[in-house]
Amino acid sequence: QKEVEQNSGPLSVPEGAIASLNCTYSDRGSQSFFWYRQYSGKSPELIMFIYSNGDKEDGRFTAQLNKASQYVSLLIRDSQPSDSATYLCAVEGGADGLTFGKGTHLIIQP
Amino acid sequence: DAGVIQSPRHEVTEMGQEVTLRCKPISGHDYLFWYRQTMMRGLELLIYFNNNVPIDDSGMPEDRFSAKMPNASFSTLKIQPSEPRDSAVYFCAISQGGTGQPQHFGDGTRLSIL
Repeated sequence: QKEVEQNSGPLSVPEGAIASLNCTYSDRGSQSFFWYRQYSGKSPELIMFIYSNGDKEDGRFTAQLNKASQYVSLLIRDSQPSDSATYLCAVEGGADGLTFGKGTHLIIQP
Repeated sequence: DAGVIQSPRHEVTEMGQEVTLRCKPISGHDYLFWYRQTMMRGLELLIYFNNNVPIDDSGMPEDRFSAKMPNASFSTLKIQPSEPRDSAVYFCAISQGGTGQPQHFGDGTRLSIL
């Protein structure tokens, strides 16, 4: 059973600070990693994906991948109240498709 | 997401009834996925198709669930007979080029079985 673990939170971060979201996974063969944002009552929205070890930056978002440690993280710089949402980590499992974590609930305090 | 249209958006029905959820991919894709989301279990993959062919249905909870994709622009997920524990939000998602590619989700169907 492939597993993706996230701290459910809530993670509370002051506006303007850096929010750090973490995810660990069990399948060493996974090659693709995704972060989705989900507002309450809405569908998951893709915000970042990463395939290689290291960092990938897109605007205020940075995804970090460490395959040796089976760890992927998402940093959100200059956090805004509109960033308040649940963030889902998803890990590719080959023919098994994506396995999603249960998500971290992020609250940005004005 | 304009790339995937799901209907209905909400469905309330009594247990024992047949439920049919629909998904219409609009943008380019060769993979289509059906997911179920609950508070307890999170987002779970039920089944996925590649070029309209079912590839992995190991996530389908029981024989009461079935899915079809008669063409590239339409897929259905059917539950017969429905039970209260089937209450969840059901999402359809699409991708291009493989299971390791980004997936884009429809708005989902919120299903309540009384």
